[in-house]
This record gives sequence, C-alpha cells and structure tokens, in this order.
Amino acid sequence: EAQVTQNPRYLITVTGKKLTVTCSQNMNHEYMSWYRQDPGLGLRQIYYSMNVEVTDKGDVPEGYKVSRKEKRNFPLILESPSPNQTSLYFCASSGGMITGTQYFGPGTRLLVL
Amino acid sequence: QKEVEQNSGPLSVPEGAIASLNCTYSDRGSQSFFWYRQYSGKSPELIMFIYSNGDKEDGRFTAQLNKASQYVSLLIRDSQPSDSATYLCAVNKGGNKLVFGAGTILRVKS
Repeated sequence: EAQVTQNPRYLITVTGKKLTVTCSQNMNHEYMSWYRQDPGLGLRQIYYSMNVEVTDKGDVPEGYKVSRKEKRNFPLILESPSPNQTSLYFCASSGGMITGTQYFGPGTRLLVL
Repeated sequence: QKEVEQNSGPLSVPEGAIASLNCTYSDRGSQSFFWYRQYSGKSPELIMFIYSNGDKEDGRFTAQLNKASQYVSLLIRDSQPSDSATYLCAVNKGGNKLVFGAGTILRVKS
C-alpha cells in the first residue's frame, strides 16, 4: 500500500528538549515536504526536498532542521523546541510538483510546554 | 495581503445543491493550482489540480482557473453530506514551493 508514515503521532515535550519527527514514504517519490498547520493560518511549508541531499527552506523554516540522506526518509528536527512550535505537523511526498499528487502522512500533533 | 485567500466559511448548502468554493492568489507567476479536501482530524487529500485557464471536470468536481483575474474555484455538483470537510486551495508559485490558503469549511445539510 502506497503511504507516508510519520512517528510519533502525538508528542508532548518541554522547551529546549531536542526532538525528531520521522517521515518515510514507500512510493519512491523524489519530492518530500514538511508543513505545519495552525488554526486560521492553514498549512505552511517548513522545508522541502527535491531529492537526496537537496533541501530548501519553505515559508516558516526558523527553528527547524531537516535532512535527506535516503530517498524514502525525511526527518524533521527541532533542536530546541519552543511553545510557539506547538502545532500539527504533516509530512508529504510527491512524484512531481506540477502534476503529481502530493500524499500526506497522518500528522504529528506536538505540544511544547 | 495573504498569498492565497479563501473565505473561511462555513459555507452551508443543502444536499443535492452545487457548492462553489473560491480562492484568489497574489503571485501572477503562479503555475499550478490544487484543491485538497481535509476531513476533521485527518490529513489533506488531493481532489484536483489545474494549470491551464478554463474548466477541468472530474466526476462531480469542476475546477475553474482564470489567471487574468488570479482566481481559482471548485464546484461540487450534487453535494452530499460526505462532502462536508475543509477545502484547501494551494498554489505552486514555482520552484516547487506550495502555498496553501487557510481553507473553507463546507457543510452539506441533509
């Protein structure tokens, strides 16, 4: 089954404690992306990757890091989480941006205390 | 001005009616346009994409694009209660950066 998986699905942490949210896709997609979704603001792109070792900033990259060492994996790293990073996070992958369907993972709900 | 604007709704329509969802965007260089549906507590799923002016139909859904007016819309014919969801408009500005609107809540009343 074609899918994007994220772990963990729910996470409560404290300010400053480094965390990683994993994302994996089994569709051999080149394009992967991370979004955060906040009420009234919609989905905002954090980082995206066109292929292995190729990443670029989206609209809200501050406070986040990503890496793409393998095609299937695209982890999101919060080196020092702060309460304003409390949000719902989605990973997505696509075979191509212009016409390709973007598949979203199930989401990770993060609460930073 | 937001890059992609949608009326937050909720838009309420009776079952069987046509639901019309609208989206405007600010960047004239935008290349392709997407409509996603998101049920409460779920992840977004793609309904349609369009990149040429005019209409594109897929079953009960029709996407309309007018680049001169910087306007894209989604029509849902014969609306069903199962269509009740948040509809997200997304715009590819080029360079593979996708910008989403905040979404329109649609409620279909039976």
